[in-house]
Amino acid sequence: KAGVTQTPRYLIKTRGQQVTLSCSPISGHRSVSWYQQTPGQGLQFLFEYFSETQRNKGNFPGRFSGRQFSNSRSEMNVSTLELGDSALYLCASSRDPPGANVLTFGAGSRLTVL
Amino acid sequence: DAKTTQPPSMDCAEGRAANLPCNHSTISGNEYVYWYRQIHSQGPQYIIHGLKNNETNEMASLIITEDRKSSTLILPHATLRDTAVYYCIVMKGSSNTGKLIFGQGTTLQVKP
Repeated sequence: KAGVTQTPRYLIKTRGQQVTLSCSPISGHRSVSWYQQTPGQGLQFLFEYFSETQRNKGNFPGRFSGRQFSNSRSEMNVSTLELGDSALYLCASSRDPPGANVLTFGAGSRLTVL
Repeated sequence: DAKTTQPPSMDCAEGRAANLPCNHSTISGNEYVYWYRQIHSQGPQYIIHGLKNNETNEMASLIITEDRKSSTLILPHATLRDTAVYYCIVMKGSSNTGKLIFGQGTTLQVKP
C-alpha cells in the first residue's frame, strides 16, 4: 500500500516569505502529525490533526500553523520565514486505534531559508 | 509520559546481534515502549513496541524487564543497512495522540 507522501521534497525560500507543505496520509489513517528536525534541536513535535481538528500542539510560535481536510490530507504553513526555520519537516499518520498507536512517517520536506 | 535514557552511540560488527538498551525507570502501568529508527535524512521508521511481554517481529525483538524499568532492542543479525539512530519512546497506549517525544537516541554504527 502507498505510504505517507510529502510534497515538495526540497524547497528554498528567503527570509520573510511563507511556505506551505503538504502531507497525504496512508489510506484509512485519520491522524496526521507534523515534526520539525534540526541538527541542534533534534525531532520536535509541531502539531497533530484528527478529523480536521487540531488535537495536540507543540511549543512553536504562531507562525507555524496547519490544517486537515476532510480526506485527512494535511498542510502546514510557516509564515514570515526565519533562518532558523531551515529544517526537515516530517509528517506522520496513524490509524488512531485504542491501545498502542504506531506512526508511519513520510520522507520529509527539506526547507532551506536563505 | 515517562522519560527514557539511551547511550549516545554503539558499534556492532556486521552479522552479530546488536543489543540496544533503554532505561525508563518512571514508566507507568499503561505506558508502552516503542522503538523507532531513523536512517540518515529519512523519516523515522517504526520497529516494534511492547507493554509487558517480550515481543518479536520480522525486524527485531524487544525484551522488557519484569519491573518494566528498562528494555533492550535486539537486532539479531545486524547488517550495514541497520546503521541508524535508534529511538526508545515511552507513551500511554490510550493517549490517542500522534505526539511522540524523541530524545537524542542511540547512534548504531554497524561495521564490516
